[in-house]
Amino acid sequence: NAGVTQTPKFRVLKTGQSMTLLCAQDMNHEYMYWYRQDPGMGLRLIHYSVGEGTTAKGEVPDGYNVSRLKKQNFLLGLESAAPSQTSVYFCASSFRQSTGELFFGEGSRLTVL
Amino acid sequence: GENVEQHPSTLSVQEGDSAVIKCTYSDSASNYFPWYKQELGKRPQLIIDIRSNVGEKKDQRIAVTLNKTAKHFSLHITETQPEDSAVYFCAASGYNQGGKLIFGQGTELSVKP
Repeated sequence: NAGVTQTPKFRVLKTGQSMTLLCAQDMNHEYMYWYRQDPGMGLRLIHYSVGEGTTAKGEVPDGYNVSRLKKQNFLLGLESAAPSQTSVYFCASSFRQSTGELFFGEGSRLTVL
Repeated sequence: GENVEQHPSTLSVQEGDSAVIKCTYSDSASNYFPWYKQELGKRPQLIIDIRSNVGEKKDQRIAVTLNKTAKHFSLHITETQPEDSAVYFCAASGYNQGGKLIFGQGTELSVKP
């Protein structure tokens, strides 16, 4: 049981480049989330999904897109990266909506130059 | 939407002392309040949670209290040990919030031997 796996773990981009972060979970969880972590700002929700084929906006969705084509995968895309998107990105999944434990991936450190 | 404020941002205690971290939330409909611990370079992990029908919950050296009227909840760690040093996050969510778990800004706890 790998839990929640994120790829890649590290990435450096130039301003304007695009990339996709992949999150995979093997716990058959319905709910998946993407957060970004910045110093002094905690974990801020970017987008989330309550099931296969669904997505919804979180607190800071601008500049990001997501897709949940398969239940086990949740992709986070940056179409045109900006330095303000330099952050550590965490994917998480949960069995229950709203009141269930979140299981986090190891994080992906993205630097945009 | 929900907004969670967490204080203090940093906390330094001597080994064996108690530590208290406080959070306030804005949405009176929130009914689930977890606490996550993040060690340096690691992923956040759930350490304790409380639901709105309970005023206090304890698990060995850690306890959480909830005051729904005042909309605040606190984490208490007794007999602190160096391995308690980490960043702690509070969070809040509710069934009417569409699955969103909103985090506070985090508290960096340092336990000095």
